[in-house]
Amino acid sequence: SAVISQKPSRDICQRGTSLTIQCQVDSQVTMMFWYRQQPGQSLTLIATANQGSEATYESGFVIDKFPISRPNLTFSTLTVSNMSPEDSSIYLCSVSRSNEQFFGPGTRLTVL
Amino acid sequence: ELKVEQNPLFLSMQEGKNYTIYCNYSTTSDRLYWYRQDPGKSLESLFVLLSNGAVKQEGRLMASLDTKARLSTLHITAAVHDLSATYFCAVDHRSGTYKYIFGTGTRLKVLA
Repeated sequence: SAVISQKPSRDICQRGTSLTIQCQVDSQVTMMFWYRQQPGQSLTLIATANQGSEATYESGFVIDKFPISRPNLTFSTLTVSNMSPEDSSIYLCSVSRSNEQFFGPGTRLTVL
Repeated sequence: ELKVEQNPLFLSMQEGKNYTIYCNYSTTSDRLYWYRQDPGKSLESLFVLLSNGAVKQEGRLMASLDTKARLSTLHITAAVHDLSATYFCAVDHRSGTYKYIFGTGTRLKVLA
């Protein structure tokens, strides 16, 4: 299994500002993933973050809006930039290990 | 376009009854995952199905995978109130980035 922590657990932000979400894993992993879950919806993959390379973004998500860092094998950050109310969601990081995917507790973001 | 569809989207059932949730996917994959999500919580891994014909059971839940039909089922036996949650299936699309595509989700409510 994997123990994943995220910070902050929740935040309320003003439109036009940015928020950086941190994801920490208890041991080294090659790939980390960032998802968005809008209220009442399923999970949508934002990007895949590999250590030492640029993140790979899914269709509809761009680096300028969701810059990602992956400085080492246990840590990643996702920034939600220039926020609007449409960015209000739960953001989850996850890791893949031993044929399973494990999820962090999520960051609940509300943009006013 | 990669699609993972679940039905039903909503399910209200009486305690003690049996029911099946279906997960259809459009991509070629031999790995499928089932997750449970309680309100306000992250995702909990239920089953990992790694090959055609795989069947796994845990308590009142049983999951199966038919890769030829691109279909997985989650069968609920003698439902109890504690099973009320949202259930997601997810497919591992091996496009080189280990992209996980989530189903639409099934919101289950078990009535006492």
